[in-house]
Amino acid sequence: DAGVIQSPRHEVTEMGQEVTLRCKPISGHDYLFWYRQTMMRGLELLIYFNNNVPIDDSGMPEDRFSAKMPNASFSTLKIQPSEPRDSAVYFCASSFGFPGNTIYFGEGSWLTVV
Amino acid sequence: AQKVTQAQTEISVVEKEDVTLDCVYETRDTTYYLFWYKQPPSGELVFLIRRNSFDEQNEISGRYSWNFQKSTSSFNFTITASQVVDSAVYFCALSRESNYQLIWGAGTKLIIKP
Repeated sequence: DAGVIQSPRHEVTEMGQEVTLRCKPISGHDYLFWYRQTMMRGLELLIYFNNNVPIDDSGMPEDRFSAKMPNASFSTLKIQPSEPRDSAVYFCASSFGFPGNTIYFGEGSWLTVV
Repeated sequence: AQKVTQAQTEISVVEKEDVTLDCVYETRDTTYYLFWYKQPPSGELVFLIRRNSFDEQNEISGRYSWNFQKSTSSFNFTITASQVVDSAVYFCALSRESNYQLIWGAGTKLIIKP
């Protein structure tokens, strides 16, 4: 079975450019998460959706970040404009059912903003 | 407050040695869930195990075993006869029943030398 699929795997962009990260969750999962991992802050939950509806976006760092989930099989995380401090690994993850169930992660999108 | 402590920042052992990674957690919840994830050098986050607070049975999966002790609030992970491919960062995490906010430990970097 396919796991969580993220694209692109690697992205290098210039400061000020728009960055769009994409995610396809595991089929049948009703929760989708966006995480960010940095050396300084570790793994941070940015936002999560349930049945395509954003439930908690308190982790989104600022208005430059936005996330959408137009349907059950696709989500995007957009950064506009990007800044060097946004350089990190961004993980998409999905789960099914209720809190406490296993969250399965994608391979991550490695973002470098120069 | 919820907290997960992985006191071992880095462990280095020679191949075939047994190694235990410690995880201590804090929570006031009666129902909670504990997880271990592996992050190899390639960067993805791989789910290893999930344990709910009512199941204190130890778990064994091949060379991996987990010891859950509520009395000491610990959920330790042992690798028997370690192999170079076990080299990775291992994260312990805690989830509450009430929400999907995973509380992560800082991770333990495990280095297995040939």
